[in-house]
Amino acid sequence: KAGVTQTPRYLIKTRGQQVTLSCSPISGHRSVSWYQQTPGQGLQFLFEYFSETQRNKGNFPGRFSGRQFSNSRSEMNVSTLELGDSALYLCASSLGVIRSGANVLTFGAGSRLTVL
Amino acid sequence: AQRVTQPEKLLSVFKGAPVELKCNYSYSGSPELFWYVQYSRQRLQLLLRHISRESIKGFTADLNKGETSFHLKKPFAQEEDSAMYYCALGGANNLFFGTGTRLTVIP
Repeated sequence: KAGVTQTPRYLIKTRGQQVTLSCSPISGHRSVSWYQQTPGQGLQFLFEYFSETQRNKGNFPGRFSGRQFSNSRSEMNVSTLELGDSALYLCASSLGVIRSGANVLTFGAGSRLTVL
Repeated sequence: AQRVTQPEKLLSVFKGAPVELKCNYSYSGSPELFWYVQYSRQRLQLLLRHISRESIKGFTADLNKGETSFHLKKPFAQEEDSAMYYCALGGANNLFFGTGTRLTVIP
């Protein structure tokens, strides 16, 4: 079956612009979570969506937002881009919500954002 | 607070030598620990989790609650083990990752 699909794979933006990234989970997976990956900070949790509802949010400013559609596809948006937002943004899906005993995630290939 | 510490950013070992990637955690509840791996040009993927108590690709990891550790071990490293390894801690509704250790196995 198809894996987690993220688009676009690469994009370049300038400071102040906004960006929207898309994630299509594995068929049947209802939870989608987003992570920011940087060499210095590793993987940092952004947020998780389940049944179109944001369940949890990491320690990121309000410029980072997301949503989930009825087909479980998810988008994340970053407004007023800053240089420090340059990173690989990973999306992961799972059958159920992230919780103890059910934390096995399947990751996408990521969207690499470069902010100039 | 939840925290995962991987003290080594880089680790190099010779092929055939034992390897241990360290992971320490901080969590007030009952922890659920994982190791995820990212091979070159591949996606991040689950390697193993402590509740399964299994050996994957020769790797094992034992949860030590007394030392709050979940170190990843393999008795004989192979070149194909070269990758980025992340330790992860599952909480009530989140999954915290460490900063990762890049393992290089020298032929």
